[in-house]
Amino acid sequence: KAGVTQTPRYLIKTRGQQVTLSCSPISGHRSVSWYQQTPGQGLQFLFEYFSETQRNKGNFPGRFSGRQFSNSRSEMNVSTLELGDSALYLCASSTGPGVGETQYFGPGTRLLVL
Amino acid sequence: EDQVTQSPEALRLQEGESSSLNCSYTVSGLRGLFWYRQDPGKGPEFLFTLYSAGEEKEKERLKATLTKKESFLHITAPKPEDSATYLCAVQDRGAQKLVFGQGTRLTINP
Repeated sequence: KAGVTQTPRYLIKTRGQQVTLSCSPISGHRSVSWYQQTPGQGLQFLFEYFSETQRNKGNFPGRFSGRQFSNSRSEMNVSTLELGDSALYLCASSTGPGVGETQYFGPGTRLLVL
Repeated sequence: EDQVTQSPEALRLQEGESSSLNCSYTVSGLRGLFWYRQDPGKGPEFLFTLYSAGEEKEKERLKATLTKKESFLHITAPKPEDSATYLCAVQDRGAQKLVFGQGTRLTINP
């Protein structure tokens, strides 16, 4: 079974631009969560989608948004990029929001904002 | 607010030298405690899920245990390929999100 895939793997953008990252979950998984990983803050939760609905959102500004499609694939968008948005963006999928459902992570998208 | 603290931040061992990593947590209602391994430039790789105090799980040279306040990841006779950052995360009953610790960077010297 193929794992979680994320595209692109690497991105370089300049301040003020916007970016869209894509995530394809494991086949059969309907819940997708996004996390930001930086050396200073570690892994921080961005948001979670299930059945095309955002169920939870982390403490990030409104510049960070996302969506989920009917095939469970998900995208996240960051508008008006800032230098501090440089990070590894990780997507994780699980079968659903059940008790203790394991989240499986993709390889991440490394975003560098110049 | 849920909190996870991992110690030590970094640990260097000789091949074959067993040790333990600690994960202390504060959560209103534990849904699950997760251990992941992360290699440089890669996403976290799932290792274990523990649900209740007293539970233990093993996989090759790794064994995870859970109490009401902390979890330990015991590494027995480690090999250089066990070198990685080990992440601990908790999931609260009220939410799907994982709250992660800062990780322990483990280096095993041959």
